[in-house]
Parts: sequence; structure tokens; C-alpha cells
Amino acid sequence: KAGVTQTPRYLIKTRGQQVTLSCSPISGHRSVSWYQQTPGQGLQFLFEYFSETQRNKGNFPGRFSGRQFSNSRSEMNVSTLELGDSALYLCASSLDWSHTDTQYFGPGTRLTVL
Amino acid sequence: GQQVMQIPQYQHVQEGEDFTTYCNSSTTLSNIQWYKQRPGGHPVFLIQLVKSGEVKKQKRLTFQFGEAKKNSSLHITATQTTDVGTYFCAGQKSNDYKLSFGAGTTVTVRA
Repeated sequence: KAGVTQTPRYLIKTRGQQVTLSCSPISGHRSVSWYQQTPGQGLQFLFEYFSETQRNKGNFPGRFSGRQFSNSRSEMNVSTLELGDSALYLCASSLDWSHTDTQYFGPGTRLTVL
Repeated sequence: GQQVMQIPQYQHVQEGEDFTTYCNSSTTLSNIQWYKQRPGGHPVFLIQLVKSGEVKKQKRLTFQFGEAKKNSSLHITATQTTDVGTYFCAGQKSNDYKLSFGAGTTVTVRA
């Protein structure tokens, strides 16, 4: 079974731009979660989608948004980028939305904001 | 909100020695999960603990869930260079399906 894939793997943007990151979960998984990882803050939960619906949301500003498609693929968008948005963005998929199942992480997208 | 704290933040270990990393929550958890992230890699699931006082072993790794389901520990015996990485715990409350990750314990090994 193929693992979680994320595209692009690396991205460089400038302040004020917007960015869209993509995540394809493991086949059969219906839940996708997004996390921001920075050296100082660790893994911070952004949001989770299940069956095209946002089920949970972390404490991030409205500039961070996401969506999930009918094939369970998910995208997250960050508008009006700030320097502090530079981070590794990880998505994780699981079978359902209760998290009692294992979360499988993708390799991440390394975003650098200049 | 729920906070999961991990200590220590860094653990420098001599190869062959044992060490323990701890995870503490301010609230009772329904379950706790442990992940390992190698340098340059992504978190990989290690184990999930659900029952109060539960102890699970994976070769040289021993995981424990506290009786009050508010804390957990990971004990590694006879540390090897392959144990290098950051170990995260992640807790989940019964009425909130968000996983809250600790800041991680970054382990380095001296050969």
C-alpha cells in the first residue's frame, strides 16, 4: 500500500503570497489531519477533515484553511504569508476521525517564507 | 486547553545506557500515542496505550500509561545509535478527538 504523499516537498514563497499544499492519504483512509512543525513549537494541530467535512480545528488564524475532496485528498491553503509561517507542514491520514487508529504521516512540505 | 508536556527536551545518552522520557497531561486522557521522528524524517507511529496502568513493550522500548491516565513514560534500555531521533507523545481526551502532541524529546547517542 502506498503511503501518504505530499506535494510539493519544498516551497519558497515571499511575504504576502499565498500557498496551497496537497496531501493524498493512504488508500481507504478517510481522515486527514494537518500539522505545523517548527523547532520552537513542536507539532501544532491545524485541522482535521473527514468525509469532506472539517471535524476539528486548532488555534490558527483564518489565513490557514483547508478542504477535503470526495476521494479523501486534502489541500491546505495559507494566504498572506508571514515569515513565521516558515515550517514543515505535515499531513497524517487515518482510517476514521476518532484518532483511535494509527496516524500515518506524510514526508511533509517544507515551506520557507522570505 | 489540553496541554501535553514532555521532559526532558533533550536527552544525551551513552550507547548502551538506559533512559526514560516522560509525558504529562493536565487532563485525563482516553489514550496516548507515541511517535518517533528520525532526523530529516516524519513522525512514525510506535504504539498506543489505552488502559489505566497499561505497560507495553517493543524490544528494548517499554511504554507505560499512568494509573490516572494523565501521564506516560517511554523507557529505552541499552540505547543504540538507531534510537537517535525525537520521540513525541500525543494525547487525546475522550470528548475531543484532537491529538495534542508534546514538544518531543530529542535523543542523541554517544558511541
